[in-house]
Parts: sequence; C-alpha cells; structure tokens
Amino acid sequence: NAGVTQTPKFRILKIGQSMTLQCAQDMNHNYMYWYRQDPGMGLKLIYYSVGAGITDKGEVPNGYNVSRSTTEDFPLRLELAAPSQTSVYFCASRKQGLAGVQGQFFGPGTRLTVL
Amino acid sequence: AQKVTQAQTEISVVEKEDVTLDCVYETRDTTYYLFWYKQPPSGELVFLIRRNSFDEQNEISGRYSWNFQKSTSSFNFTITASQVVDSAVYFCALSGHGSSNTGKLIFGQGTTLQVKP
Repeated sequence: NAGVTQTPKFRILKIGQSMTLQCAQDMNHNYMYWYRQDPGMGLKLIYYSVGAGITDKGEVPNGYNVSRSTTEDFPLRLELAAPSQTSVYFCASRKQGLAGVQGQFFGPGTRLTVL
Repeated sequence: AQKVTQAQTEISVVEKEDVTLDCVYETRDTTYYLFWYKQPPSGELVFLIRRNSFDEQNEISGRYSWNFQKSTSSFNFTITASQVVDSAVYFCALSGHGSSNTGKLIFGQGTTLQVKP
C-alpha cells in the first residue's frame, strides 16, 4: 500500500492564480481530511469528508473548495490564491470506527507559497 | 469548545538530559482520544501514541513515556536520556470518540525540542 499520497510536494503560485492539491489513499478509508500548518503553528482543519459525495467544513474553510467523487481521492481547490494561504497542507485519512491504534494516516504534505 | 494548549514553545536540552513536554486540553466530551505526533525537520508527521480517555494508565515505550491525568486535563510526554535525533516539533492533539464521531483532530501549537550534543 502506498498509504496517503499528495501531489505536488512544492508549488509557488502568484496571487489570484488557482490550483488543485491532490490527495489519494489506497487503504479504503471512509474519512479524509485536509489540514493546513502555518509557520510555527499546529495543524488546523480545512475540510473533511466522511465518504464519497459527503464533505463538510472544518475550522478554516474560507478560500478553499473540496470534492469527494470517489473513496480514494479528496482534492483541495484554491480558486484565487492569496498570500495568507502560504502554508503546508496535509491530507489525512482514517477508517470509520475504532480505526486501529493510529487513527489518522497523514500524507507527506504539500508546501505552497503564494507570492 | 475543544482546545489543546502546549505552553512550551521551545525547549533546549543537552543530550542525555530528560525532558518533559506539557499538554493541557479542554473538552466537554466524556470520552475522547489524545495523541502525540512528532514532526522532524523533514516535515512529515510521525504518530507516537494514542490514548483513550477512559484509560488513565501511564505508558512507556523505550525512552518515551506518557503521563495522562484526567483530573488536571493533562497528557504530558517525557523523553528520557534525550538524543540529538529527538530534535523535532512535537504536537499534542485531541479528537472525539465513538463510531459516529468524525475523528477531527484538534492540535496544539507544538513544542520545538532542540537536543544539543
């Protein structure tokens, strides 16, 4: 299993550009999450999904959109990039229920800079 | 509202010293999970431990130990005989419990640990 994969690893955007951060998992997990980590801070939840076709806002959803058309994929869309969206983005997934010891499995992160 | 506080922003120790990282949490849930993650300079998140709220036994894993005290809403992490490879940012996190819970994690702001040789 590849686990949780994220692409790209790094990206520089200009203000006003748009992009999609890709996230995929091959563990057949129901739940998927997007977090952002600002410099010197903990992670904050942007959006999450409890299954294909179902998404909901987290703590900091403004400026982002998500979709979940399949169990495996959970892309995060930035429509009009702003410098405040400069951050490291982590995707995570977990199985419904007890989910084993670990709970959420995290991807390696995407480092995004908006200039 | 749920909240996790890691009051220590940065800690610096010399190798072989013991070090304790503090974590205090707030939640109205009667059952919940607590976590510790390590983020080395390479940036990935490494899972260290998950603790159920109804299990207050302390846990030891090699040089790592965790002290969970429900009475003070604390879940502290101790590294014994620290090593340079322990240098990282450490996060404490909280999530709900139960099959209907969405499992969203609430993170503390992290503690940067520097272990000097």
